[in-house]
Amino acid sequence: DVKVTQSSRYLVKRTGEKVFLECVQDMDHENMFWYRQDPGLGLRLIYFSYDVKMKEKGDIPEGYSVSREKKERFSLILESASTNQTSMYLCASSIPWGGNYEQYFGPGTRLTVT
Amino acid sequence: EDQVTQSPEALRLQEGESSSLNCSYTVSGLRGLFWYRQDPGKGPEFLFTLYSAGEEKEKERLKATLTKKESFLHITAPKPEDSATYLCAVQADSGGYQKVTFGIGTKLQVIP
Repeated sequence: DVKVTQSSRYLVKRTGEKVFLECVQDMDHENMFWYRQDPGLGLRLIYFSYDVKMKEKGDIPEGYSVSREKKERFSLILESASTNQTSMYLCASSIPWGGNYEQYFGPGTRLTVT
Repeated sequence: EDQVTQSPEALRLQEGESSSLNCSYTVSGLRGLFWYRQDPGKGPEFLFTLYSAGEEKEKERLKATLTKKESFLHITAPKPEDSATYLCAVQADSGGYQKVTFGIGTKLQVIP
């Protein structure tokens, strides 16, 4: 079974802090994704990566950056946390070939910025 | 722009009362349509991928079908443990990047 893990289930940070969210997958997937999920808005893509050190902006990249130094690990960085970044953050991975494009998600990190 | 609309937003069923969830989509170059189940406070769990109109897939009490404009998730004789939010998503070719667009979901509650 694909396993995607995230470093924290719950996180509380103060405005202006630098926040790191980490994601690890154990299935050797090339693609990794970071989403945020908010009530009434659904899942929105922040960034994705299709290879080590490669990244692409998603729909809402402002205020975020990412890092992918190893294939299995994808980090989301909030450079200076703000209250409007309070949300559920979800990491996912997938393979880009073979017709099986489904994404597998981690358990999520509930981030509260006060 | 790719769009995914799910209906109803919420559905309350008695245990054993079969029903269907709808996912209508507008996309060019469909690569796949996905169904996920999401329990409160957890990440989405993959259920099905459908690739072409007429395709059907089943898993226990769930059956997903696909037409050129929409997909249905049929739930037969649901049980309380089927209570969850069901998400639909589509993947399309978009500038060389396999973008996935998610619907907001249908929250299903099955009453014993």
